[in-house]
Amino acid sequence: AQKVTQAQTEISVVEKEDVTLDCVYETRDTTYYLFWYKQPPSGELVFLIRRNSFDEQNEISGRYSWNFQKSTSSFNFTITASQVVDSAVYFCALSSYNQGGKLIFGQGTELSVKP
Amino acid sequence: DAMVIQNPRYQVTQFGKPVTLSCSQTLNHNVMYWYQQKSSQAPKLLFHYYDKDFNNEADTPDNFQSRRPNTSFCFLDIRSPGLGDAAMYLCATSSRLGGQGETQYFGPGTRLLVL
Repeated sequence: AQKVTQAQTEISVVEKEDVTLDCVYETRDTTYYLFWYKQPPSGELVFLIRRNSFDEQNEISGRYSWNFQKSTSSFNFTITASQVVDSAVYFCALSSYNQGGKLIFGQGTELSVKP
Repeated sequence: DAMVIQNPRYQVTQFGKPVTLSCSQTLNHNVMYWYQQKSSQAPKLLFHYYDKDFNNEADTPDNFQSRRPNTSFCFLDIRSPGLGDAAMYLCATSSRLGGQGETQYFGPGTRLLVL
């Protein structure tokens, strides 16, 4: 069975702090894909990144960075120098061919960045 | 810009009164999805269309139906809304089924209130 766990339900930081959102996944498939989505208060799910299981390179995009470690089945997301506009719920998700390609979401982490 | 559009953004209906939510896309994607998201929960897949092929999730109630008259449009019909159907309804699209890690792109959602 596939599962995504985001153990942090809520995180609160002060602007300019760095913050890491944890994501741990379970799958028996060797080929799988990991995603992060951002859901601001307006409700739209905004795609942030996709990673396949064969690409363990970390990625940086501006203030955002992602650390994929197959050895610990984790795909963590770090925001550097957080801003108030980063306040949102962040979802980690998993899909694989053998599971019909469905997106399996974690429960989400609500990030609150205070000025 | 290519995008996923949902109308209306807010919908109020009465208990038992049929309601239709709409989704359109300019991405020319083959797959369209409908998700239900209740407060503080992850999105839950209701069904999806791959072209004209309809795929219902096993636990989607019969009260929920969908139509896809053409590539660009997809509708969610709730035949007899109950109080428990109050939620955010998200439409998403992808170019292919997710088995090869296709990214799903989401619309802004329709927030349904049942009185």
